[in-house]
Amino acid sequence: GQQLNQSPQSMFIQEGEDVSMNCTSSSIFNTWLWYKQEPGEGPVLLIALYKAGELTSNGRLTAQFGITRKDSFLNISASIPSDVGIYFCAGQSSSNTGKLIFGQGTTLQVKP
Amino acid sequence: DTAVSQTPKYLVTQMGNDKSIKCEQNLGHDTMYWYKQDSKKFLKIMFSYNNKELIINETVPNRFSPKSPDKAHLNLHINSLELGDSAVYFCASSSFGHSYNEQFFGPGTRLTVL
Repeated sequence: GQQLNQSPQSMFIQEGEDVSMNCTSSSIFNTWLWYKQEPGEGPVLLIALYKAGELTSNGRLTAQFGITRKDSFLNISASIPSDVGIYFCAGQSSSNTGKLIFGQGTTLQVKP
Repeated sequence: DTAVSQTPKYLVTQMGNDKSIKCEQNLGHDTMYWYKQDSKKFLKIMFSYNNKELIINETVPNRFSPKSPDKAHLNLHINSLELGDSAVYFCASSSFGHSYNEQFFGPGTRLTVL
């Protein structure tokens, strides 16, 4: 089945640093989304991308839909302790069934 | 108010039992989903319903049966529970249209099978 490769698997950074994570796929996706999951909670949508090349920001978060439609990245600038959590990319490739494929997640820890 | 709610939050049960998890959304969405998150945090879709009609049915044992009494509710019934069913189960919802893939997740139900 389709898979998304998300990297890095985990990051441990100092508060104030910028963070970058990405997802790649062997097949084309029509939609890319980025979610954040905190302990004991469900994933929360951060950014949704619908067009190849699209660059979208949400506060300190910026995500891009790769030109090849096979990749996406998420940047977090000036990290703060509450950025801690697991970040997931998700993509949808098939016709509009709503079926999302999720990456393996990037666990982010921020040291104050 | 919680947009997507699930009950119970925690469920501990013995192998072989039958259990149900309930999900409700008050967002007015027409599509609801069930996901399973394993111990490695991998999220995989199991089912989805659009206006009470099953539209996604992944390779899931037939011991799992979703039921949608109306478009605001999607329950998950699991028969003959096995150890491997232990996981966190998430309900999600979205609305058909441009933002169809923008799925909103519930808080999860942690199922532990002993």
